[in-house]
Amino acid sequence: GENVEQHPSTLSVQEGDSAVIKCTYSDSASNYFPWYKQELGKRPQLIIDIRSNVGEKKDQRIAVTLNKTAKHFSLHITETQPEDSAVYFCAATLTGTSYGKLTFGQGTILTVHP
Amino acid sequence: DTAVSQTPKYLVTQMGNDKSIKCEQNLGHDTMYWYKQDSKKFLKIMFSYNNKELIINETVPNRFSPKSPDKAHLNLHINSLELGDSAVYFCASRGAGTRAFFGQGTRLTVV
Repeated sequence: GENVEQHPSTLSVQEGDSAVIKCTYSDSASNYFPWYKQELGKRPQLIIDIRSNVGEKKDQRIAVTLNKTAKHFSLHITETQPEDSAVYFCAATLTGTSYGKLTFGQGTILTVHP
Repeated sequence: DTAVSQTPKYLVTQMGNDKSIKCEQNLGHDTMYWYKQDSKKFLKIMFSYNNKELIINETVPNRFSPKSPDKAHLNLHINSLELGDSAVYFCASRGAGTRAFFGQGTRLTVV
């Protein structure tokens, strides 16, 4: 089955700096890679996703890159703000069927200091 | 309207008791999941149902029994609760090729 490794487990940055979180996956069949943000006491919510036919996707200060050959993908947050502080999860799954297992990485606790 | 709702939000109970958590989604999705989030924040999949059929059972103890009366509902019943069952339990739903939506979570505390 799929295994997703996520690093680092904690990340501390100053406001305005960039933050990068990296994930690797094991199943080359996986073709959909979402990223979730979970604020304290809240539910995980999707912030960006990427499909395997795309190498990079951007949404304002957030970008995700995918290297299918190396089986890794990364989340990039630029100009970080204190409200970006949260736990971030990467995930990998196979689309085309709704019951593909959605496997999460271990999570990264991001702290943005004002 | 809340897309995925689960109840209760908080559950405090004694060891050995039996409890249930309910989940409902109004997104028309075929697949629903139960995840357990422990104190280290890891989201571990427990079960997955597709159109009321069990698809994934991730070596969860038999004390946990999911039930899906229809594809919009997935409930979780836990027998003989143990201290180690304390965690936040999230329900989620997903359609084919789309993102997963999570419920607000149920914080279960076993004392």
